[in-house]
Amino acid sequence: QKEVEQNSGPLSVPEGAIASLNCTYSDRGSQSFFWYRQYSGKSPELIMSIYSNGDKEDGRFTAQLNKASQYVSLLIRDSQPSDSATYLCAVSAADSNYQLIWGAGTKLIIKP
Amino acid sequence: DAGVTQSPTHLIKTRGQHVTLRCSPISGHKSVSWYQQVLGQGPQFIFQYYEKEERGRGNFPDRFSARQFPNYSSELNVNALLLGDSALYLCACSLVPGYNTEAFFGQGTRLTVV
Repeated sequence: QKEVEQNSGPLSVPEGAIASLNCTYSDRGSQSFFWYRQYSGKSPELIMSIYSNGDKEDGRFTAQLNKASQYVSLLIRDSQPSDSATYLCAVSAADSNYQLIWGAGTKLIIKP
Repeated sequence: DAGVTQSPTHLIKTRGQHVTLRCSPISGHKSVSWYQQVLGQGPQFIFQYYEKEERGRGNFPDRFSARQFPNYSSELNVNALLLGDSALYLCACSLVPGYNTEAFFGQGTRLTVV
């Protein structure tokens, strides 16, 4: 059974601080890694994808991947109240036709 | 260019009834996947279609079925609805199933079974 684990939170972070979200996965064959943001009652919105070890930066967001440790993280710099949402980690692999396997999400609250 | 569109956005059905959910992918996106998301959980994979062929099926009963049309739009059908089928049903599309392919979601269909 392929699993993706996330701390459910809520994670409370002061406005302007760095929010750090973590995700671990069980399948060593996982090849593609995604972070989605989901506001309450809305559908997931892709914010970052990462495919190789290391860091990938896009604006205030940085995704970090460590395949040896089976660990992927998302850093949000200069957190804003609008970043308050549930962040979902998803992974995919060739042997499952790149179906997305999802974590349950971490609820992030940015306190003004 | 229009994003992924799903219809209807909200639906209330009675136990035992049948429901059809529809999805139109982004132009040029040939792969469509369906997910079920229960409140407080991550999405669960139901089906994947690519070029009108089923490429994957999740751990859902045979009451769930889907198909993809020549224009790459898709339908998800659920028969004999149960209360536990109440969820947000998400359609995601991608250009092709692949290593570096990103999936984009429609707004979802909120199904309530009473």
